[in-house]
Amino acid sequence: DAGVTQSPTHLIKTRGQHVTLRCSPISGHKSVSWYQQVLGQGPQFIFQYYEKEERGRGNFPDRFSARQFPNYSSELNVNALLLGDSALYLCASSSWDPRETQYFGPGTRLLVL
Amino acid sequence: RKEVEQDPGPFNVPEGATVAFNCTYSNSASQSFFWYRQDCRKEPKLLMSVYSSGNEDGRFTAQLNRASQYISLLIRDSKLSDSATYLCVVNSNSGYALNFGKGTSLLVTP
Repeated sequence: DAGVTQSPTHLIKTRGQHVTLRCSPISGHKSVSWYQQVLGQGPQFIFQYYEKEERGRGNFPDRFSARQFPNYSSELNVNALLLGDSALYLCASSSWDPRETQYFGPGTRLLVL
Repeated sequence: RKEVEQDPGPFNVPEGATVAFNCTYSNSASQSFFWYRQDCRKEPKLLMSVYSSGNEDGRFTAQLNRASQYISLLIRDSKLSDSATYLCVVNSNSGYALNFGKGTSLLVTP
C-alpha cells in the first residue's frame, strides 16, 4: 500500500507570493493533519481535518488555510509568504479516529527568498 | 513553558552502548504518548507508542510516569543505524493534534 504522498517535494518562492501544498493520505484514512517544521525544531501543528471538516487549528496566522476534498486529499495554502515560512511542511494521515497513530508523508521543503 | 521538553543533546555514544532519553510534558490531561524517529531531512516515523505500564520493542524500552509527567526511552546495544533525532510526542488537549519536543540528536560511532 502506498504511504502518505505530498507534492511538490521542493519549492522556492519569494516574499509576498502564495503557495499551495498537496497531500494524499493513506488509502482508507479519513483524517489529515498539517505540521510545520523549521530547522532545529520539532514539527508544529497547523491544522487537522476529518471528513472534510476542520477539527483543530494550531497557533498560526490567518495567512494559513487548508481544506480537505471528498477523496480525503488535502491542500494547505499560505498567502503573503514571509521569510519565516521557510520550513518543511509535513502532512500526516490517520484512520477514522484522528487520535490514533499519525503517519507522516515525506514533506514539502519550502524556501522563501 | 513549552508543552513537551527534551534535552536536545547531541548524544554521542559508541556502538553497543546503552543510552537513555528523557522528556517532560506540561498537560496532565494528555492521553497518548509516542516516540518518533527522524532521520536527517526525512519525515518523522513512529518508533513506538508509550503505555502506562511501560513497553519494550526489541532493544527499545519506553516508560511513562504520569505523576511526574515524564517519559523516557532506553536504547540498549546501540547500532550505527540508530543515529537519528528522537522526538518525544504527546497528544494535545483536544486529543487530535500532536505536540512534539525539539528532538534529541543521537550519534552512534564505531
